[in-house]
Amino acid sequence: GAGVSQSPSNKVTEKGKDVELRCDPISGHTALYWYRQRLGQGLEFLIYFQGNSAPDKSGLPSDRFSAERTGESVSTLTIQRTQQEDSAVYLCASSLGQGAFYEQYFGPGTRLTVT
Amino acid sequence: DAKTTQPTSMDCAEGRAANLPCNHSTISGNEYVYWYRQIHSQGPQYIIHGLKNNETNEMASLIITEDRKSSTLILPHATLRDTAVYYCIARNAGNMLTFGGGTRLMVKP
Repeated sequence: GAGVSQSPSNKVTEKGKDVELRCDPISGHTALYWYRQRLGQGLEFLIYFQGNSAPDKSGLPSDRFSAERTGESVSTLTIQRTQQEDSAVYLCASSLGQGAFYEQYFGPGTRLTVT
Repeated sequence: DAKTTQPTSMDCAEGRAANLPCNHSTISGNEYVYWYRQIHSQGPQYIIHGLKNNETNEMASLIITEDRKSSTLILPHATLRDTAVYYCIARNAGNMLTFGGGTRLMVKP
């Protein structure tokens, strides 16, 4: 079956521009997660959604970052006024439910480069 | 999540079993042992998870010691495509995943 998909796969943008990253989770997965991974480093948690609600936004690095989810499906991560330190791979994952019992399945990521 | 300790790197001959160890001596009773892997330039891939009992799926087997302080991921017949960084995670009720350094497995022909 279809896995988690993300678009675009690569995005190069100029410093100061806004970008939108999209995630399509596995159908029926109620939980959706956004992570960031800088080159050669581990995962940095950004935000997660249960349904369309985001109970935990503590990982968002600054107020330039926002995310939304609609229809308990597609999610968009928006970065405003991008900075060079935002360059990273942005990963989306989804799971059937929330909590440690449910495994998270990852998409291929969006590689963001801010010049 | 409890801290996990893994060897930095391991080699395995193609076709042989790859046994990847993980220590999680401070794991608590409600923490699951999860394994993911990440092949270069790809998103993390879920492999297997367990709480107390040994688990097996189409990808691998997970052996958890009786005291739950350590576990071993077994890839029964490693192929070149199994070359990746393997992450062992002791995951509690929190929703986020945290990857440590992982083990870089190199499968050699």
